[in-house]
Amino acid sequence: GENVEQHPSTLSVQEGDSAVIKCTYSDSASNYFPWYKQELGKGPQLIIDIRSNVGEKKDQRIAVTLNKTAKHFSLHITETQPEDSAVYFCAASTSRGGGSNYKLTFGKGTLLTVNP
Amino acid sequence: GAVVSQHPSRVICKSGTSVKIECRSLDFQATTMFWYRQFPKQSLMLMATSNEGSKATYEQGVEKDKFLINHASLTLSTLTVTSAHPEDSSFYICSAAGIRNTGELFFGEGSRLTVL
Repeated sequence: GENVEQHPSTLSVQEGDSAVIKCTYSDSASNYFPWYKQELGKGPQLIIDIRSNVGEKKDQRIAVTLNKTAKHFSLHITETQPEDSAVYFCAASTSRGGGSNYKLTFGKGTLLTVNP
Repeated sequence: GAVVSQHPSRVICKSGTSVKIECRSLDFQATTMFWYRQFPKQSLMLMATSNEGSKATYEQGVEKDKFLINHASLTLSTLTVTSAHPEDSSFYICSAAGIRNTGELFFGEGSRLTVL
């Protein structure tokens, strides 16, 4: 089955700096890679996703890059703000055929702390 | 975005009792719903996949007789923790896949179960 590795497990940055979180996956059939932000005591919230036919996607201060050959994808947050502090999870799935094929395999998470 | 609601958000029960958690898709029809369990400072672990009108598919190591899942309609799935024990205390989260088959999952806010 799919295995997703995520690094680093913790990341502390100063407000205004950039933060980068990296993930690798093992199943070459995976074609959907979402990133989630989880605040304490809440469910995960999708912040950005990328599909295997795209190499990069950007949404304001957040960007995700995908290298299919190397099987890794990264989350980039620029101009970080204290409210960006949370746990971030990467995930991978093969979104073909619907139903249980949407099973996500999650990374172990990265605790991001943005210091004012 | 699509909204998934979980209820209750917090529940405390005595050991040996059963607890039901509901997961509702409020503004879309969910053909498939997923149930996860999350321990403190850990990632989400998939427990089971439920498809509307059929039996749930459980992940290896998850007791189907202990964690009863029902997906009776396209907007509601329930997880019942039977004969709960303190080790069942955890954060339970559901997610739902829409019928457009895009691969995107929408997560609920989670339910904190504490078994005394």
